[in-house]
Amino acid sequence: QVQLVESGGGLVKPGGSLRLSCTASGFNFSDYYMSWIRQAPGKGLEWVSYISSRGEITYYADSVKGRFTISRDNTKNSLYLQMNSLRAEDTALYYCARETVLSFLECFDPWGQGILVTVSA
Amino acid sequence: DIQMTQSPSSLSASVGDRVTITCRASPSIGSYLNWYQQKPGKAPKLLIYAASSLQSGVPSRFSGSGSGTDFTLTISSLQPEDFATYYCQQSYSTPRTFGQGTNLDIK
Repeated sequence: QVQLVESGGGLVKPGGSLRLSCTASGFNFSDYYMSWIRQAPGKGLEWVSYISSRGEITYYADSVKGRFTISRDNTKNSLYLQMNSLRAEDTALYYCARETVLSFLECFDPWGQGILVTVSA
Repeated sequence: DIQMTQSPSSLSASVGDRVTITCRASPSIGSYLNWYQQKPGKAPKLLIYAASSLQSGVPSRFSGSGSGTDFTLTISSLQPEDFATYYCQQSYSTPRTFGQGTNLDIK
């Protein structure tokens, strides 16, 4: 079955760095755009970044632009998020999600289970 | 950026009730609107895409309507497993944006 599994989260000090990974299975990973979406504790959903199927196109939310870098390795069915200069407000559950085209538009389906990133001194 | 505003932010209802959640987009997004359900401790799940199309496997008591700026998600007869938080999301332009969520709980 289609599955996304995130890893690499944890506790990091403000200003520090962390690299998240998302491993995909059950579908042809190289055919799909992929996104990272986050959810601060008790808050709503915030889209963070996406990457095209071959990795040549990336886009970032203003809140992370210049600090986060999305990348992928299609040979390893893996998506990454390199997070630098982390701030307390980056504390969140980070989800990877496949951008699935249904009808004429993109949807986030499925989602991984999420990985927690905590930025605190 | 396109702003998505949901109402209400929270809603109490009983099993068997008909429930409607509203999502407003600014500016217009055509039918580029998706709805997700999130249960506590779980990842969001796609319910409705393109404003009114039911995702495979989603019960038919869920329906969506609207276009342009005003959209609704309706649950025709609430079941115990429907108590969750619901989010709308636009796919009209990047950055993708979500509504703030509607928490549906048991009255």
